[in-house]
Amino acid sequence: DIQMTQTTSSLSASLGDRVTISCSASQGITNYLNWYQQKPDGTIKLLIYYTSSLHSGVPSRFSGSGSGTDYSLTISNLEPEDIATYYCQQYSKLPYTFGGGTKLEIK
Amino acid sequence: QIQLVQSGPELKKPGETVKISCKASGYTFTDYSMHWVKQAPGKGLKWMGWINTETGEPTYADDFKGRFAFSLETSASTAYLQINNLKNEDTATYFCASGNAYWGQGTLVTVSA
Repeated sequence: DIQMTQTTSSLSASLGDRVTISCSASQGITNYLNWYQQKPDGTIKLLIYYTSSLHSGVPSRFSGSGSGTDYSLTISNLEPEDIATYYCQQYSKLPYTFGGGTKLEIK
Repeated sequence: QIQLVQSGPELKKPGETVKISCKASGYTFTDYSMHWVKQAPGKGLKWMGWINTETGEPTYADDFKGRFAFSLETSASTAYLQINNLKNEDTATYFCASGNAYWGQGTLVTVSA
């Protein structure tokens, strides 16, 4: 199985900050990488698919990048509603595996 | 708008069976595969597998082979997850996700004697 590692399990930032969350795969995943947001109430939404494509309705302050084994999600101009846990998921090979999550808090 | 609405919380005893539903609306049900994801209390997300909504063929991750079953009622735009012979470690919130893009609200299953 492909292991997905989010080395930062929690992150504290101030409103208006630019935040980057990283995700690393145990082998190359050819950009087949999604980013999800899970709010404190448990609701999960897709933010980014195929590394850098913004899902419908997602604010443009979210962006994704990466290649090979290393990927990142960037939130520019952090807003209060961005408080959540963020997960990456590879869908290059079965089983589709998730990273452990990065919890974003306001400083 | 696309919505996935899951059935309500369940409290079951070890050894019992639970069947969770996931009703889709706002799109053609067979256009997207349906995925299932487990989240144990305080833990991260674990992909369980998916079902092809056109053919009904399920694919299970290794940890979910045997006691778990995905099924469809296409005429009702509904997917189901059945867990047989429940164990304490099945206590979790289970999510359905259409094409991994749109997610249900989750169903909490609690297994306790």
